[in-house]
Order: sequence, then C-alpha cells, then structure tokens
Amino acid sequence: EAGVVQSPRYKIIEKKQPVAFWCNPISGHNTLYWYLQNLGQGPELLIRYENEEAVDDSQLPKDRFSAERLKGVDSTLKIQPAELGDSAVYLCASSPGVNTEAFFGQGTRLTVV
Amino acid sequence: QKEVEQDPGPLSVPEGAIVSLNCTYSNSAFQYFMWYRQYSRKGPELLMYTYSSGNKEDGRFTAQVDKSSKYISLFIRDSQPSDSATYLCAMSFTNSGNTPLVFGKGTRLSVIA
Repeated sequence: EAGVVQSPRYKIIEKKQPVAFWCNPISGHNTLYWYLQNLGQGPELLIRYENEEAVDDSQLPKDRFSAERLKGVDSTLKIQPAELGDSAVYLCASSPGVNTEAFFGQGTRLTVV
Repeated sequence: QKEVEQDPGPLSVPEGAIVSLNCTYSNSAFQYFMWYRQYSRKGPELLMYTYSSGNKEDGRFTAQVDKSSKYISLFIRDSQPSDSATYLCAMSFTNSGNTPLVFGKGTRLSVIA
C-alpha cells in the first residue's frame, strides 16, 4: 500500500514569492493534516481536514497561508507571499479517522532566501 | 510551560545499551500516547501507540505510561546503530481521529557501533 505522498521534496524560493505544496494521502483516509516542523522542534499542526472540510485551522496564518482539499482526497498548501521565517519542513499526514494513528509523508523542505 | 516537554538531547550510547527516552505533560486530559521515530530528512513513522497506564512491549521497544505522574517513557533494548534517529513523543485527547496530535520537541539519539 502506498504511503502519504508529498511533492516537491525540496523547494527554494525568494522571499515574497508564492509557493505550493501537494499531498496525496493514503487511500481511504478521511482525515488529512498539514504540520509545520522547524529545525529541532516537533511538528505543529497547521490545519486538519475531515474529508473536504477544514475542521481545525486555528494555527494557520491566514494572511499568507491557504489550503484546500478538493473532493476530499488530495490537498494543497499555499504560501503567498513567502517570508524568510517560513523556511521549515511542511509535513502532510493522514489517518483513517477512527484512531489517532497518523501516517506521515516525507515532507517538503522549504528554504526561503 | 509547554503542554509536552521532551529533553532534546542529543543522547549518545554504545551499541547494545538500553536507552530510556522520556516525556512529561501537563494536561491530564491526554489519553492516548504515541512514539514516533524520525530519520534525518524523513517524515515521522509510528513506533508505539498506548492508551492505558502500564507497559506495552513490541520487540526491542517498550512504551511505559504513568498517568498519575503525567510521564511517558520509551525503552529500547539492545540498541543498534540503525536506531539512530530523533524520537518524538506525541499525545492526544481522544482516539476518534478528530483531535490533533501534540508533539514533544524530539530527542536525537545516536547509537555508536
């Protein structure tokens, strides 16, 4: 069974430019998460989807971050414009929705210069 | 005080040693506890998942939960160089899949051959 797939793996952009990340969760997983992981820190939740509905986006900086999950499957996370402080690893995870086991993708490492 | 505290290490041990990794938490509402292993430049992978106080064993790994002390531990027996990674504790309030995981900072472990 394929795991959570994220792309790109790495992205380098100049500040003020837009950037987008893509996530394909494990087939059948209704719950999808985007986490932010700074160097030396644990992942912190940005947004959680149940199917196509964002049910917890309280930690998402909505002035520059946006996310969508069309048709309750794939999801994209966008930053516009990017700032130097956005340099981090962006992790996508999914779970079946019946327990707390979250399965993570490889992450996208963003560097803003 | 953060909700979940974890000593970031780094922790360096010789091959074959018993490793003890620990987390404390402040919110007694946490009910479900997990340990994730994260290799460099990879996403976290689930190692252990526990609910009740007590011990849970899986091969060389033992997870221990003491809810009265708000303290969880992961023991690794006969540690191997392949165990070198960052270990993240995580916890949640329910097992419905509808609450996000709260992570510790992670402890970086190096097992020296």
